Amino acid sequence: GDSVTQMEGPVTLSEEAFLTINCTYTATGYPSLFWYVQYPGEGLQLLLKATKADDKGSNKGFEATYRKETTSFHLEKGSVQVSDSAVYFCALSPYRAGSYQLTFGKGTKLSVIP
Amino acid sequence: DADVTQTPRNRITKTGKRIMLECSQTKGHDRMYWYRQDPGLGLRLIYYSFDVKDINKGEISDGYSVSRQAQAKFSLSLESAIPNQTALYFCATSGVGASTDTQYFGPGTRLTVL
Repeated sequence: GDSVTQMEGPVTLSEEAFLTINCTYTATGYPSLFWYVQYPGEGLQLLLKATKADDKGSNKGFEATYRKETTSFHLEKGSVQVSDSAVYFCALSPYRAGSYQLTFGKGTKLSVIP
Repeated sequence: DADVTQTPRNRITKTGKRIMLECSQTKGHDRMYWYRQDPGLGLRLIYYSFDVKDINKGEISDGYSVSRQAQAKFSLSLESAIPNQTALYFCATSGVGASTDTQYFGPGTRLTVL
């Protein structure tokens, strides 16, 4: 079945440090890939997505590239801020008629300290 | 106003009680979903509905039931709550067309079963 594996946290970084959160997936076909973010006390928000190989999703300084050859969708940001402290979820949505279920990774908690 | 709302936001109940969690959306989406989030496990799908007459079980439907009262309303019921149903519950919606694979989440309901 479909699955998503992301690096375990928590991750603690100093402000302005470089961020990478690794995400790999297993799926048949060509799933869409997502990063969702959950700020403390809130629901999940879509951060970025990519729908086909070599697509790069980007938003708020975050980027991730759909790498089919390595089945990866790693999240990166060049300079994190305290306001980026949150839990980040990698997810996939398979490309199968009638099936629109998201499969999530377990989440990675990021804490950014001043 | 939020596009996806959930009530209540917090609920404490006792073992054996019947509980209903409600979700409403103003996004005009046909598809609605219920997930539960447990620490270290990510989100898992409980039920999903493609329209008012189409309801499907997800990964962990045992002990839960749902009702799609209208396009905009999707309720989750715990017929006889048990402590291991203590979790954070999220409702989500998705539309049709190019963004059908993207889901939009409510703020969550924190349920504690004593």
